[in-house]
Amino acid sequence: DTAVSQTPKYLVTQMGNDKSIKCEQNLGHDTMYWYKQDSKKFLKIMFSYNNKELIINETVPNRFSPKSPDKAHLNLHINSLELGDSAVYFCASSQDPTSGSTDTQYFGPGTRLTVL
Amino acid sequence: AQSVTQPDIHITVSEGASLELRCNYSYGATPYLFWYVQSPGQGLQLLLKYFSGDTLVQGIKGFEAEFKRSQSSFNLRKPSVHWSDAAEYFCAVGAKSGANNLFFGTGTRLTVIP
Repeated sequence: DTAVSQTPKYLVTQMGNDKSIKCEQNLGHDTMYWYKQDSKKFLKIMFSYNNKELIINETVPNRFSPKSPDKAHLNLHINSLELGDSAVYFCASSQDPTSGSTDTQYFGPGTRLTVL
Repeated sequence: AQSVTQPDIHITVSEGASLELRCNYSYGATPYLFWYVQSPGQGLQLLLKYFSGDTLVQGIKGFEAEFKRSQSSFNLRKPSVHWSDAAEYFCAVGAKSGANNLFFGTGTRLTVIP
């Protein structure tokens, strides 16, 4: 069974469209994340949710909106897609970090988004 | 501010040779350190982590890493590389801020030649 899963694996779309990427984890973790990996393989955190509440929101355009219907799911919705949004997006999850410790993050397989 | 530096963008080693991938970090308190591996077209898999205690940590696939506070380093090592180890390796530091933010290095690509 896949611990952290993402759909779709590949997403090709036109500029200006709106798209969503879904993420689900079956590890019973309380916290989920979205990372963006650019063309140079640099990974940067975008959002973090703990028990359906936003706890990290790095400097990303407000065209990006995470949505967490329950603590096992964290979806990423992107409005008005731009060429620069082309990247690989990774979802991850971990136990509750609010106790003050850093727990291990487990990553999904990634979604490669290509904006034409 | 936290940061991670991986000085080697690309390393090539022969199968069976030893390997060391360098990682230096900048962090104001006790760091939480990780090594992840990304195979082509795949997600990130945790190799090992350091939170506290013994500064030499063992991971999966025969990898180990040593935390050296005086050098702000967390280098990854393997005594004998296998062709299947060819991948991208990422070092990361965790921020103990209650937010569990991970900062990644830019990665080192490992090529293994027969």
